[in-house]
Formats: sequence, C-alpha cells, structure tokens
Amino acid sequence: NAGVMQNPRHLVRRRGQEARLRCSPMKGHSHVYWYRQLPEEGLKFMVYLQKENIIDESGMPKERFSAEFPKEGPSILRIQQVVRGDSAAYFCASSPQGALSTEAFFGQGTRLTVV
Amino acid sequence: AQTVTQSQPEMSVQEAETVTLSCTYDTSESDYYLFWYKQPPSRQMILVIRQEAYKQQNATENRFSVNFQKAAKSFSLKISDSQLGDAAMYFCAYRVYTGANSKLTFGKGITLSVRP
Repeated sequence: NAGVMQNPRHLVRRRGQEARLRCSPMKGHSHVYWYRQLPEEGLKFMVYLQKENIIDESGMPKERFSAEFPKEGPSILRIQQVVRGDSAAYFCASSPQGALSTEAFFGQGTRLTVV
Repeated sequence: AQTVTQSQPEMSVQEAETVTLSCTYDTSESDYYLFWYKQPPSRQMILVIRQEAYKQQNATENRFSVNFQKAAKSFSLKISDSQLGDAAMYFCAYRVYTGANSKLTFGKGITLSVRP
C-alpha cells in the first residue's frame, strides 16, 4: 500500500508563473489536507478537501491560491502568479473516511522555490 | 481558536540520555487528540505518538512516552535512551474530534540534536 505521494518533490518557478502541486492520497483515503511550511516554522493548515468538495479553506490566502480534489485523480494545489513569498514546502496529508481517530498520513512534501 | 505552543526552539541531549520536549495548547473543546510528529532532514513527517484526550493513561511507544496533563493543557514528550537517529525537528499537534474541524494545528517545532 503506497503512502501519500506528492509530486514534484522540487519545483522552481519564476515570479508570475503558475505552480501546480499534486497529491495522491493513500488508497482508500478520501480526505486530503494541504499544509504549508515556511523556513523555521511549523506546518500551517491551508485547506481540507473531500472528493469533489472543499470542507474548510480557512487557511487559504484569498487570492491566487486554489485547491481541488476531483472524483478521479490527485488533489491539486494551484498557485497563480507566484511571488517570492510563496517559496515554502507544501505538504499533503490524507486520512480515511470517517476515521477521525486516526492520524493523518503525510507525503514527503513539495519544495517550491520562486526565483 | 486553538493554539499550540512550543516555547523551546532548540534542545540538545547526550546519546543514551533522556530528554523532555515541552508543549502546551489552548482549547475550549473536551474531545480532541494530541500528537507528536518527527521531521528529519528528509522532511517526511513521521508520527511518533498519539494521545486521546479522554484517556487518562499516558501514551507510550517504545522509547517515547508523553506526560499529558489535561487540566494544565500540557503535553510533553519524553525520549529515553536517546539515539543519534532521534535528531530531528519535533512538532506537537492538536486535532479536534469533529468532521469539519479535523485539521491538525501544529506548534512551531523544536530542533533536537543528539550528541555522540
């Protein structure tokens, strides 16, 4: 059973370009969370999605950021018109449906560098 | 709003010794979970230990144990017989037991170094 898969592991974008980060949850998991980790900081919650639904996006910046988790395929975190301040590690975590007592399983993250 | 505080940015321990990492949290909820995650240089987030708030007994996983003080909202991690591989960042995290708010809230982390 493969773990949470994130790709790419490293992504370099120039200012103004778009960044697309992908997350494939563990098999059987229908809950996906995205977190951002700035240097020397803890992980900050961004968005919580279930299949085809955004449940909680209270941590998402109001502009340029969007996320989706379609019925088929991975979850996508999209950042439009990236700026230097978007440089960070972005982590995805998944958990099974209804299993709130279990921990979330994390991917290895995507390190985004904006140049 | 829930907050998690790790006031010590760094700690160091001699190999084979014991170290305790501190964490406090703030919540008005009664049902929740607390976690310690380890993040080595590879950046992979690894669950170390989990504690359910309704359980009075402190969780233990091999060399790792917690001191959970619910009234004080304190959740410290004790690492016994420290090993070089324990060197990493450690994050304390909190999770409410409700569907729409099931996100993890993390502290800022503590960097643990292990001296040979």
